[in-house]
Amino acid sequence: DSGVTQTPKHLITATGQRVTLRCSPRSGDLSVYWYQQSLDQGLQFLIQYYNGEERAKGNILERFSAQQFPDLHSELNLSSLELGDSALYFCASSVESRSTGETQYFGPGTRLLVL
Amino acid sequence: DQQVKQNSPSLSVQEGRISILNCDYTNSMFDYFLWYKKYPAEGPTFLISISSIKDKNEDGRFTVFLNKSAKHLSLHIVPSQPGDSAVYFCAASENWAGYALNFGKGTSLLVTP
Repeated sequence: DSGVTQTPKHLITATGQRVTLRCSPRSGDLSVYWYQQSLDQGLQFLIQYYNGEERAKGNILERFSAQQFPDLHSELNLSSLELGDSALYFCASSVESRSTGETQYFGPGTRLLVL
Repeated sequence: DQQVKQNSPSLSVQEGRISILNCDYTNSMFDYFLWYKKYPAEGPTFLISISSIKDKNEDGRFTVFLNKSAKHLSLHIVPSQPGDSAVYFCAASENWAGYALNFGKGTSLLVTP
């Protein structure tokens, strides 16, 4: 158990809909990262938040947005969903101590299926 | 643009033998490298890491080797056990880029009794 929790575990929805994925980082971790794993793809970095502020952006679509709340949990919002958005979405957290070699710890993921 | 590549999608090894998983990268700015292990229906689990200032890091049965000039790293598992059967992901990060990890597509390791 990494200490990172994600809900829900599974999500089935229809095209055009909007969903929210939730992540609670490990106790004491200030950074939260979101990754997407599509079929036959490695994990693709989407976005990072550090202590409530957006820190880095990767290949995140404009239809997707995220935020980190004062209690450090994070939500990833996916809107106008398309079939191609079906994927595993992982959240990871790290201490962000500003030292080289920051290890990220991953949650169990949310499997999204868009029909 | 895949900056981290794992060219072997799968690998089969007998129990007790050495497993060698390989990873190549193209971005010379990467300075921290990690290996994650993933079982089906679970998130990636951190296994071992190495900083670019080192060329080897060992943790029990797991050793990671880094060859910066060749932009290549490898994970050695000795001896391999059936419980090591999983997908192994290589990842790399640039310190300045917010520590976002760039992942390879993974190598599925099967350790047979």
